[in-house]
Amino acid sequence: EDQVTQSPEALRLQEGESSSLNCSYTVSGLRGLFWYRQDPGKGPEFLFTLYSAGEEKEKERLKATLTKKESFLHITAPKPEDSATYLCAVQARGSEKLVFGKGTKLTVNP
Amino acid sequence: NAGVTQTPKFRVLKTGQSMTLLCAQDMNHEYMYWYRQDPGMGLRLIHYSVGEGTTAKGEVPDGYNVSRLKKQNFLLGLESAAPSQTSVYFCASSYFQSAGQYFGPGTRLTVT
Repeated sequence: EDQVTQSPEALRLQEGESSSLNCSYTVSGLRGLFWYRQDPGKGPEFLFTLYSAGEEKEKERLKATLTKKESFLHITAPKPEDSATYLCAVQARGSEKLVFGKGTKLTVNP
Repeated sequence: NAGVTQTPKFRVLKTGQSMTLLCAQDMNHEYMYWYRQDPGMGLRLIHYSVGEGTTAKGEVPDGYNVSRLKKQNFLLGLESAAPSQTSVYFCASSYFQSAGQYFGPGTRLTVT
C-alpha cells in the first residue's frame, strides 16, 4: 500500500530562520511526487512536481528535493507570509490517484 | 481565467437529503477529481474522471455518485446524506495524469 508520512506535524520558525520539511514515502513505482501549500479555509495550491531521484525544483524561498525514499522542502529565510500547511503527495505508476500525507503546519513569527 | 470553481461554498443538509456539488474548470484539463478533507485524515480521493463521459472510483466512493457530461464540469452527488459525509470537499483538475492538480476553493458540507 502506498503511504506518505510528513514530519514534523507542526513547525514554528522565526522570520529568517531556514529549515526543512520532510516527506517520507513508500510507493510501488513512483510516477511523481507533489508539494502543495494550503492556507486556512482554502484549497491546496500546487507548488512542485518531482519525477525522479536527484531532481530539484525552486520557487522563491522554497526548494524541493527528491531521493528514492523521501523528499525535502527547504525553506530559506522564511517570511510570515510563508505560514501555511504544506502537503506532500505521491502518485504510483499506473495509478490516477494521489496519496496525500497529513501535512506540516508551518508558522513563521515576525 | 477563473481556474477551478466550486458551487456552493457552504451547505447544511439533514440526514437523508440529497444534493449536488458542481465543479467547473476553464483550463481545458482532461482529468478532474473529487476529494474530501477531514481533520487528521488528509485528502482522500472520492471519484475521478479521465475525460468527458468517463468516471472512476477512488479511495472512498461509497455514498457518492459523479457525472462528467461536459469536459469543463464534474458533478458530485450525494443521494442520501449521512453525518459521516460532513467534510470539506475539493475538486481538482489536471492537464495530464502526472501533472500537478489545481484545486478549487472547497465546499464545506455539514450533515445533521
